[in-house]
Amino acid sequence: EVQVVESGGGLVQPGGSLRLSCAVSGFPFSHHTMSWVRQAPGRGLEWVAKIKEDGSEKYYVDSVKGRFTISRDNAEKSLNLQMHSLRVEDTAVYFCATGGLRYLGNWGQGTLVTVSS
Amino acid sequence: QSALTQPRSVSGSPGQSVTISCTGTSSDVGGYNYVSWYQHHPGKAPKVMIYDVNERPSGVPDRISGSKSGNTASLTISGLQAEDEADYYCCSRAGTYSLVFGGGTKLTVL
Repeated sequence: EVQVVESGGGLVQPGGSLRLSCAVSGFPFSHHTMSWVRQAPGRGLEWVAKIKEDGSEKYYVDSVKGRFTISRDNAEKSLNLQMHSLRVEDTAVYFCATGGLRYLGNWGQGTLVTVSS
Repeated sequence: QSALTQPRSVSGSPGQSVTISCTGTSSDVGGYNYVSWYQHHPGKAPKVMIYDVNERPSGVPDRISGSKSGNTASLTISGLQAEDEADYYCCSRAGTYSLVFGGGTKLTVL
């Protein structure tokens, strides 16, 4: 059974930083693109970033470019999202998901990031 | 990249069929056969129901189907059941590197 578990969310002040992590098991992690998706309170899903199998290519939604960095450790089967210069509008539940452009096959339950003073 | 357009809500009685539309542009839905649909019960992990426009992952019943015509994709759920009540999101490849989601549709089983 595939398990995807996010961690690292919390309350942070505007301008602050936070690092999210995602642990994956039961899945050939190193063979697949991985993505982050978020859902702001009362809003729909928004794709945030994706990273190629070997970490060589990374892509971001325009609103987080230059502030967020996606990375992965294939040996540890983990995905990370380093977030800097956080804004109130970054407040959301952040989901880790397996897959990229074709579809997102396995998701976690998400971790809540709240940006507020 | 603008979100794909979905109706905010749809409803149906048990046993009936409902269809949820998802309208984009030639740069996303109309330009690629990489349309997927996700079921989301709030507080839970989203679940892929359809990928590649009309393919079902193993375990998804065949009363769930997808289609596409031009810039509009559709998800049809036949034989509605109480457990189908959830939020549904369409998603499409949008250009070389990105994905775009729809705004979500709340399905109510009456």
